[in-house]
Amino acid sequence: KAGVTQTPRYLIKTRGQQVTLSCSPISGHRSVSWYQQTPGQGLQFLFEYFSETQRNKGNFPGRFSGRQFSNSRSEMNVSTLELGDSALYLCASSPLGSEETQYFGPGTRLLVL
Amino acid sequence: GQQVMQIPQYQHVQEGEDFTTYCNSSTTLSNIQWYKQRPGGHPVFLIQLVKSGEVKKQKRLTFQFGEAKKNSSLHITATQTTDVGTYFCKVWDYGQNFVFGPGTRLSVLP
Repeated sequence: KAGVTQTPRYLIKTRGQQVTLSCSPISGHRSVSWYQQTPGQGLQFLFEYFSETQRNKGNFPGRFSGRQFSNSRSEMNVSTLELGDSALYLCASSPLGSEETQYFGPGTRLLVL
Repeated sequence: GQQVMQIPQYQHVQEGEDFTTYCNSSTTLSNIQWYKQRPGGHPVFLIQLVKSGEVKKQKRLTFQFGEAKKNSSLHITATQTTDVGTYFCKVWDYGQNFVFGPGTRLSVLP
């Protein structure tokens, strides 16, 4: 099976702009989670989607949002970008019945100038 | 909220030496997962532990879940340069978050 794919892999934006990142899970996986990874804060959970519904949410401001489509593909959006949003954004998918077992994509590296 | 600690933060070993990282939680866990992230890479799932006192082995890696289900360890026997990376534990916070530990970065000197 193909692994989790994320696009784009790299992105440069300026403060105040918005960005949309895309994630395609492993075929058959219906749970998709998003994480932010920074050197200072480590890996932080953003949210999890299952069957097009947000099931769990981390402690991030409302500028961070996401959605999931009927084919389980997911997008996350960050509006009004801040310098501190520069990070590696990782998407992970999980098989049904084993949502704790997460398979990560290569990530999107976002730089906010 | 959930507090997850990992020690040590960094570990430098000579190739062939053993390595252990510990993950400690402030609360009792339902399960715990371990991941490895190579430099420049993404986290890769290694294993999940569920039962109190559970021990699982994967070749040179031994994973253990504490009896009280509040801590876990990952032990690597006879490290190799391919073991280089950061090892994370991950738990479920009943406040509806997945929580990663801060990780232990392993360097292996050839």
